[in-house]
Amino acid sequence: GAVVSQHPSRVICKSGTSVKIECRSLDFQATTMFWYRQFPKKSLMLMATSNEGSKATYEQGVEKDKFLINHASLTLSTLTVTSAHPEDSSFYICSAMAIANTDTQYFGPGTRLTVL
Amino acid sequence: SQQGEEDPQALSIQEGENATMNCSYKTSINNLQWYRQNSGRGLVHLILIRSNEREKHSGRLRVTLDTSKKSSSLLITASRAADTASYFCATARLGESSGDKLTFGTGTRLAVRP
Repeated sequence: GAVVSQHPSRVICKSGTSVKIECRSLDFQATTMFWYRQFPKKSLMLMATSNEGSKATYEQGVEKDKFLINHASLTLSTLTVTSAHPEDSSFYICSAMAIANTDTQYFGPGTRLTVL
Repeated sequence: SQQGEEDPQALSIQEGENATMNCSYKTSINNLQWYRQNSGRGLVHLILIRSNEREKHSGRLRVTLDTSKKSSSLLITASRAADTASYFCATARLGESSGDKLTFGTGTRLAVRP
């Protein structure tokens, strides 16, 4: 089956630092990847849609300068949380949509970010 | 984006019993999908039902869709302790490519007691 990985799985950083999270589709090519944020015991909120070779599309209320997204290849998208603050602490999940099957998004295992 | 509502928010049942979760949404959709999430983990795709379908089965799962009421239900039969997880519905809106921009429901936390 389609596998999506995320790295790191957990990260703790100091306030003001930047953190990069990688999302990789391991056995398929994905022109589109999505980044979600999830607070404890809450649902997933779509942050942005990442398209290979073009600029990401951000959802309303998501700061594009705060959450930098790069989709440099058909198997890799990165989310960089810049100048992180404690309120950015959350569970970040990516998903990837295969070129061959646009009905289904395959989700990564998530990255737990804690900003001190 | 608006989210769908799921009920119940939490459900606790005995192993072997059936579990039913409901999802309501607000916009016209291309399809509706159900996902499972174990605590602190990513989501696993369970089943997709298209807007022109009314019922779908996959193993112990049965999903229904009523587009007139903008609602769906997920039934897990003969539940097992390993089914303990959070279950989310997600809708792909009409007018967008199938699979794009999923809008997730609020989720149901299911606990199956051994």
